[in-house]
Amino acid sequence: AQKITQTQPGMFVQEKEAVTLDCTYDTSDPSYGLFWYKQPSSGEMIFLIYQGSYDQQNATEGRYSLNFQKARKSANLVISASQLGDSAMYFCAMREWETASKLTFGTGTRLQVTL
Amino acid sequence: DTEVTQTPKHLVMGMTNKKSLKCEQHMGHRAMYWYKQKAKKPPELMFVYSYEKLSINESVPSRFSPECPNSSLLNLHLHALQPEDSALYLCASSQGTVPSYEQYFGPGTRLTVT
Repeated sequence: AQKITQTQPGMFVQEKEAVTLDCTYDTSDPSYGLFWYKQPSSGEMIFLIYQGSYDQQNATEGRYSLNFQKARKSANLVISASQLGDSAMYFCAMREWETASKLTFGTGTRLQVTL
Repeated sequence: DTEVTQTPKHLVMGMTNKKSLKCEQHMGHRAMYWYKQKAKKPPELMFVYSYEKLSINESVPSRFSPECPNSSLLNLHLHALQPEDSALYLCASSQGTVPSYEQYFGPGTRLTVT
């Protein structure tokens, strides 16, 4: 079974608009961490934001926020005020306590920001 | 400084060649990782080193041989590769292996096997 599911292969958003990238996960481990990474065409994976399973508040980092709904097992990334430089592939990923060395990625969402 | 460096950026090698990929970090991280990423796919974990010891080998063929000479350096030795091994090879590091530690990735080496 997929541990991380990203159902949007591609998304378009206009510059300055907000966009939500979906991520659902599956785990029976009560302790886990959820991550979002950005991968531009250059290839480097850039860490964006982290949410711990016990965190009470949704994580925010600048224009990025994570909409964490634990009961629904979803961890959507919200990018506010999109910029052209946000065009990239976005991966949701999870680390479970039991297999903590392993970062499991979703299949990714390609975001295109348009003028 | 959250930089992980990787050399070379690009590598073309024949199936009989021996080459090495190099990764370096100076963040004092004690866990380092090798990933393989095929086009339009997510990265796949290959190896994990924790405190300079190999802790995970995800059933990677022996033609890939990792080495961690010290806490800052990680190498991946390549020998007798196949064309299907052509991919982006990403190195990453993290403070440790607990779930809260994010992994920082290098820019990758684009490997082509001819």
